[in-house]
Amino acid sequence: GDSVTQMEGPVTLSEEAFLTINCTYTATGYPSLFWYVQYPGEGLQLLLKATKADDKGSNKGFEATYRKETTSFHLEKGSVQVSDSAVYFCALSDRNAGNMLTFGGGTRLMVKP
Amino acid sequence: DAGVIQSPRHEVTEMGQEVTLRCKPISGHDYLFWYRQTMMRGLELLIYFNNNVPIDDSGMPEDRFSAKMPNASFSTLKIQPSEPRDSAVYFCASSLLAGGPYFGPGTRLTVT
Repeated sequence: GDSVTQMEGPVTLSEEAFLTINCTYTATGYPSLFWYVQYPGEGLQLLLKATKADDKGSNKGFEATYRKETTSFHLEKGSVQVSDSAVYFCALSDRNAGNMLTFGGGTRLMVKP
Repeated sequence: DAGVIQSPRHEVTEMGQEVTLRCKPISGHDYLFWYRQTMMRGLELLIYFNNNVPIDDSGMPEDRFSAKMPNASFSTLKIQPSEPRDSAVYFCASSLLAGGPYFGPGTRLTVT
């Protein structure tokens, strides 16, 4: 079945550091890929998405590129802020399975001033 | 748009009681999902609907859980009887086929 694997956290960075959170996936079809962010005490917010190979999703300085050859969708940001501290979830949606999301385990990011 | 609306935001109940969680999806969305989040298991899909019809309920833990979607603007998740291990945050999400689901703020359920 479909699965998503994320790097385990927590990831601790200083403000303005470069961020990479790794995400790889396994899917039988042609999935769409997503990153969600969850701030403390809140629900999940869609951060960015990519629907086909080589697409780049971007939002709020974050970006991720759909790499079919490496089955990856790594999240990057050039300069993190304290306000980026949250849990980040990578997910895939396989049209062969309706539109349901399969989530990775989440990666907690802590940014120190 | 107000986004996905869930109620209540917090629920504390005693073991054995019935619990009903409510969700209003984003208008026009034809998919609705119920997820549960715990520290131990992360995010689990419980059930999802397409055009008000349940499509996959294989994630529903057991017969104590049931979900309904009587119309396009309302869904319920019911637990009867509730148990302490049901304590979790329950999220409702809605989407169109081509897009990623949008999540509600969640209902934090505590069963004592």
